[in-house]
Amino acid sequence: GAVVSQHPSRVICKSGTSVKIECRSLDFQATTMFWYRQFPKQSLMLMATSNEGSKATYEQGVEKDKFLINHASLTLSTLTVTSAHPEDSSFYICSARPPGRGSNQPQHFGDGTRLSIL
Amino acid sequence: GESVGLHLPTLSVQEGDNSIINCAYSNSASDYFIWYKQESGKGPQFIIDIRSNMDKRQGQRVTVLLNKTVKHLSLQIAATQPGDSAVYFCAETPMDSSYKLIFGSGTRLLVRP
Repeated sequence: GAVVSQHPSRVICKSGTSVKIECRSLDFQATTMFWYRQFPKQSLMLMATSNEGSKATYEQGVEKDKFLINHASLTLSTLTVTSAHPEDSSFYICSARPPGRGSNQPQHFGDGTRLSIL
Repeated sequence: GESVGLHLPTLSVQEGDNSIINCAYSNSASDYFIWYKQESGKGPQFIIDIRSNMDKRQGQRVTVLLNKTVKHLSLQIAATQPGDSAVYFCAETPMDSSYKLIFGSGTRLLVRP
């Protein structure tokens, strides 16, 4: 159980393109999903918390107009990197928490999207 | 331009030996801790978790120890196998943080056959 699917797994595109990444919880409903960014040989850094039916909450230093988040259903959150540039190249990973058990519930992660901007 | 990544600390062990991976966490108000395993090109995979009201928890071949006094977490892997080779991250959830996870810097585990 608790499977999170992320699509696409890899994107290569030209500078200036906008790229949409999807995150789906396959066997549970998630009112909250999370988006992370990971550079090579580094840890995961939380970018934003995606809330179903309301605005996302962005971490300090993350541009909300650059990284658009939509959480329109209980099983789908999308991250759109607008007008992507080479410095946006990274590994983007989403996660979701299955419901219940209060705060003591592990987040389950998708397999990430490798974004390469030429 | 491309970021210059930090060099991950590496633990090299012989197949069959026990591994101990350590983590120092930052927030004394954290009340929930998780160990994740990340293989190359994949997302983190849940291994084991522990609440702050416990100091030890065991799973299959894995044990997590929590020392709140010194804010230290460890993951012990018994009879380490080649498939255990990966990067291991500890993560903490501060109380009242809306379930946010704060990840540690990670340790690469290499298992020698």
